[in-house]
Amino acid sequence: DAGVIQSPRHEVTEMGQEVTLRCKPISGHDYLFWYRQTMMRGLELLIYFNNNVPIDDSGMPEDRFSAKMPNASFSTLKIQPSEPRDSAVYFCASRMTGETIQETQYFGPGTRLLVL
Amino acid sequence: KQEVTQIPAALSVPEGENLVLNCSFTDSAIYNLQWFRQDPGKGLTSLLLIQSSQREQTSGRLNASLDKSSGRSTLYIAASQPGDSATYLCAVRRGATNKLIFGTGTLLAVQP
Repeated sequence: DAGVIQSPRHEVTEMGQEVTLRCKPISGHDYLFWYRQTMMRGLELLIYFNNNVPIDDSGMPEDRFSAKMPNASFSTLKIQPSEPRDSAVYFCASRMTGETIQETQYFGPGTRLLVL
Repeated sequence: KQEVTQIPAALSVPEGENLVLNCSFTDSAIYNLQWFRQDPGKGLTSLLLIQSSQREQTSGRLNASLDKSSGRSTLYIAASQPGDSATYLCAVRRGATNKLIFGTGTLLAVQP
């Protein structure tokens, strides 16, 4: 398996522009998570889905952020409009329902976002 | 509110040394605890997962322990190698949720 795939790997944009981050989870995984990592706040959970349904979006910073999962193999995280404080590394992770080791979350390589 | 702290924030050791990384959490009502490794510019790789009912897990040169009552976990790395250099993160999963709360991380450098 190719693991969790994220695109783009790097994104540089100007303030006010729309940014769309994409994620393909590992096949067969029924949970998908979006995280944000910054030096100041560390790694934070933004939202997670189970069977394509958003379960908890309490970590989404504000209305400028939205996430969708139209099917089991694709999810997007959108920021509109983007602001410089959104600059961070955004990770997608997935896991499958199961016991013990199967509950491990597998992370993608991340998208480095810089908003100028 | 669950808070996860890791000490030390950074550690530099000579190759071959055994070392211990520490993780503490404020709420003992956890479902499991995971240790991850993060290499510069890359995602996280899961190293070990300990269920709340377990005391320790081992994988190769790595051994992780869990003491729920005291809110602590340790990651023991035996015979460290330069390839072990990375940031190590612990994360706790709260009781009935699927949320992981991550620690602040320990940046490890193993000098050849």
